Amino acid sequence: DADVTQTPRNRITKTGKRIMLECSQTKGHDRMYWYRQDPGLGLRLIYYSFDVKDINKGEISDGYSVSRQAQAKFSLSLESAIPNQTALYFCATSDLAGEADTQYFGPGTRLTVL
Amino acid sequence: EDQVTQSPEALRLQEGESSSLNCSYTVSGLRGLFWYRQDPGKGPEFLFTLYSAGEEKEKERLKATLTKKESFLHITAPKPEDSATYLCAVQARYSSASKIIFGSGTRLSIRP
Repeated sequence: DADVTQTPRNRITKTGKRIMLECSQTKGHDRMYWYRQDPGLGLRLIYYSFDVKDINKGEISDGYSVSRQAQAKFSLSLESAIPNQTALYFCATSDLAGEADTQYFGPGTRLTVL
Repeated sequence: EDQVTQSPEALRLQEGESSSLNCSYTVSGLRGLFWYRQDPGKGPEFLFTLYSAGEEKEKERLKATLTKKESFLHITAPKPEDSATYLCAVQARYSSASKIIFGSGTRLSIRP
C-alpha cells in the first residue's frame, strides 16, 4: 500500500464550487504539506503543518484553507474554486530523521475548474 | 537569494548512452539537497538526499554527487524506463521545510 494517499485523483468542478482534497499517510511523519504544480512554474507551497496544532501559510495560500484532522490526515479546501486554480495538487510528508526535511509525495490530484 | 537552476531543460539520449544532469544552487549554507524522479501526471518519487560536499549516493543506474555549488545526477547505460523529469531541490541550513526550493526539472527521454 502507498505511504501517502490522496483523494480524489481527478476532479472536474465549476467556478464557485467548494472543493476538498484529502491526504492520508501511514509514514508516521509529523510534518505535512500541500503543493500545487503548474507547467513552467514548478512546485509551489500552499500550506504546511509541523504537527496537529500547527498550521502555516505557504507561498500561495490565498483562496485555500486547510485542516489537520489528525497526525495522519491533512485536507486542503478551495472555498470558491476559480479557473486559475486548475493544477496538479500534491500532498507531502517529511521528518527530520536525516537532519534535512526529505519529503515524500502522494500521487497527486488533477483538479480542473471550469 | 537562495536559488536552484537545473540544466539542461530537456535531454534526449539513446538507450545505453550515459550522461549527467546538473543542479546548480546558491544557498546560505546547505542543509540538504534532494533529487526526485517524476513521471507525467504523478507525484515526485524520492531518490536521494545529499548533505555535504563530496558525498555520493547510488541507486541502480543513478549516481548523485555533490559539490559546494552543484550536484550531478549521473545516469549510466540508461534504459527507456528511465525516461522522466528529474527534479532537484535544496534546503538551506537555517531554513525550515517551508523554504525548500525546487528547480524546474530536466525532462529526460531515452530512445530504444
